[in-house]
Amino acid sequence: GESVGLHLPTLSVQEGDNSIINCAYSNSASDYFIWYKQESGKGPQFIIDIRSNMDKRQGQRVTVLLNKTVKHLSLQIAATQPGDSAVYFCAETIGSGNTPLVFGKGTRLSVIA
Amino acid sequence: DAGVTQSPTHLIKTRGQQVTLRCSPKSGHDTVSWYQQALGQGPQFIFQYYEEEERQRGNFPDRFSGHQFPNYSSELNVNALLLGDSALYLCASSTPGQGGLADTYEQYFGPGTRLTVT
Repeated sequence: GESVGLHLPTLSVQEGDNSIINCAYSNSASDYFIWYKQESGKGPQFIIDIRSNMDKRQGQRVTVLLNKTVKHLSLQIAATQPGDSAVYFCAETIGSGNTPLVFGKGTRLSVIA
Repeated sequence: DAGVTQSPTHLIKTRGQQVTLRCSPKSGHDTVSWYQQALGQGPQFIFQYYEEEERQRGNFPDRFSGHQFPNYSSELNVNALLLGDSALYLCASSTPGQGGLADTYEQYFGPGTRLTVT
């Protein structure tokens, strides 16, 4: 399949361990944040989102943390599995509805079986 | 229920040519956004269509234009292709949020069209 990114930061984790992917966002006015997963040859897939009135949100095996003071987002994946191997992007936007997403540079997660 | 579909999957064009990419949104979605993703980068917003009109536009030249049809499908046109236009072009569909802090901004991406300009 297509390679999404050849020179992205890479995080390698052992299967079963927890993964933490970090992202610094750029606009202090952004109030809605999303994490996307992109596998080779596919478009980005929604993982989890968080609004600026929250600092933590949990999903199934994933948690997003938001620190507005330092404009930092993190994505935590519990019990990482080989199927989690992909490139992960954070995206920010302002408002609700259909405002354009501004994506970060991405991190490649490689799970070692 | 089909998700977002895009055609073609791959395309090779020569500098100076023109290209048209197509997108069908997810069922029930009426808003289509286009993004360009260069190798090793995150997607960059090109423009968005709603009710057959361009509603928002990113920092892309006029060589990039689009259209939305009454059935909500959309086309992205690029004229006078440059080598730097080589990228993965992503279409995302969504529906206007209801407003309020509880909304989830559900924007669904298609698999993309890989454009190579030689």
